Amino acid sequence: AQSVTQLGSHVSVSEGALVLLRCNYSSSVPPYLFWYVQYPNQGLQLLLKYTSAATLVKGINGFEAEFKKSETSFHLTKPSAHMSDAAEYFCAVSFNDMRFGAGTRLTVKP
Amino acid sequence: NAGVTQTPEFQVLKTGQSMTLQCAQDMNHEYMSWYRQDPGMGLRLIHYSVGAGITDQGEVPNGYNVSRSTTEDFPLRLLSAAPSQTSVYFCASRSGGGASNQPQHFGDGTRLSIL
Repeated sequence: AQSVTQLGSHVSVSEGALVLLRCNYSSSVPPYLFWYVQYPNQGLQLLLKYTSAATLVKGINGFEAEFKKSETSFHLTKPSAHMSDAAEYFCAVSFNDMRFGAGTRLTVKP
Repeated sequence: NAGVTQTPEFQVLKTGQSMTLQCAQDMNHEYMSWYRQDPGMGLRLIHYSVGAGITDQGEVPNGYNVSRSTTEDFPLRLLSAAPSQTSVYFCASRSGGGASNQPQHFGDGTRLSIL
């Protein structure tokens, strides 16, 4: 069975600072991994996905994630946070079905 | 470009009532799923379907029924509503019926309160 664990339910950064949101996965087969973002009172929007083509994946809004098999990690980063990045972020793993982590709420301080 | 459409947007029920949450997609996707979202717990899979006539249970199926008579529609039924089912419900779909690297597309959610 596949699962993901997101470390840190709440992350706070200053505008312009590095954003790092952590995700570790557990999978018995090569995983398909995703990051989604959810703005208040909205559905989930795909940020990026890993499908084994490249270990460094670039997504929308300047976000990227690196797949590290040795660490079973798929952390999400952005070099410089913007106020508009404030949202909840979910890591997910997929094979026959898709399972989500508990989410990390990102706050950006001016 | 409708994508995944959920109705209703909001609903209040009394304990013991039944209701159906509707979900429709216009992308001809084989795979559809239902999740519930609760604070601090992320999204938990209730039921999913890999094609018309085929459904399976997810992580938290108790108290919910589904059916998939057409490719487009995947309704979720609450048989006898309980306060523990107060949640935000999301429907999603993707192409590919089985194992797939395709992302899911989500609806805007149904906010359900049970008194």
